[in-house]
Amino acid sequence: KQEVTQIPAALSVPEGENLVLNCSFTDSAIYNLQWFRQDPGKGLTSLLLIQSSQREQTSGRLNASLDKSSGRSTLYIAASQPGDSATYLCAVDSSYKLIFGSGTRLLVRP
Amino acid sequence: NAGVTQTPKFRVLKTGQSMTLLCAQDMNHEYMYWYRQDPGMGLRLIHYSVGEGTTAKGEVPDGYNVSRLKKQNFLLGLESAAPSQTSVYFCASSDRLGQFFGPGTRLTVL
Repeated sequence: KQEVTQIPAALSVPEGENLVLNCSFTDSAIYNLQWFRQDPGKGLTSLLLIQSSQREQTSGRLNASLDKSSGRSTLYIAASQPGDSATYLCAVDSSYKLIFGSGTRLLVRP
Repeated sequence: NAGVTQTPKFRVLKTGQSMTLLCAQDMNHEYMYWYRQDPGMGLRLIHYSVGEGTTAKGEVPDGYNVSRLKKQNFLLGLESAAPSQTSVYFCASSDRLGQFFGPGTRLTVL
């Protein structure tokens, strides 16, 4: 059974710092991995999707990597801003069904 | 494009009452999903559909029924609501670019 773990559960950093969020999964047979952002009381916003054949994807200050063989993905946020404060969720797609991690709650302090 | 929409946004039910949550998408996606999100439990898949007229059980299907009579709509029904079904419900649809989520329905069962 696929299990997805995100570390750390919570993170507080000063504005301007570069940071890395981690996601690990137990079964490497995945179609893709998707990173989401969720603001309090809101829905999920898709940030990046990495296909199983890809190693990384970039969007603005965000860069996500995928290492299927080791069952790991990282989300790198450059030059963090207070507006980046949110919960970040990773999810693996094993058969058009997403299995979610519990998320990392990020606070960027001004 | 409205993307994925959900109605209602909020609802309070008494134990034993029934209700239907409506999800609509205008992206012509084949796949649609219903999740629930609970504190400490993350997002869990209730039911999903791989196309018009099809439905399948997810991780936590008990107490829920679904129907996909039209490609753009996916309905989630609670026949006899229980306090354990108090949660935030998210609908999503997907294509090869990933899953896209609606804003959620906050349901409280008293």
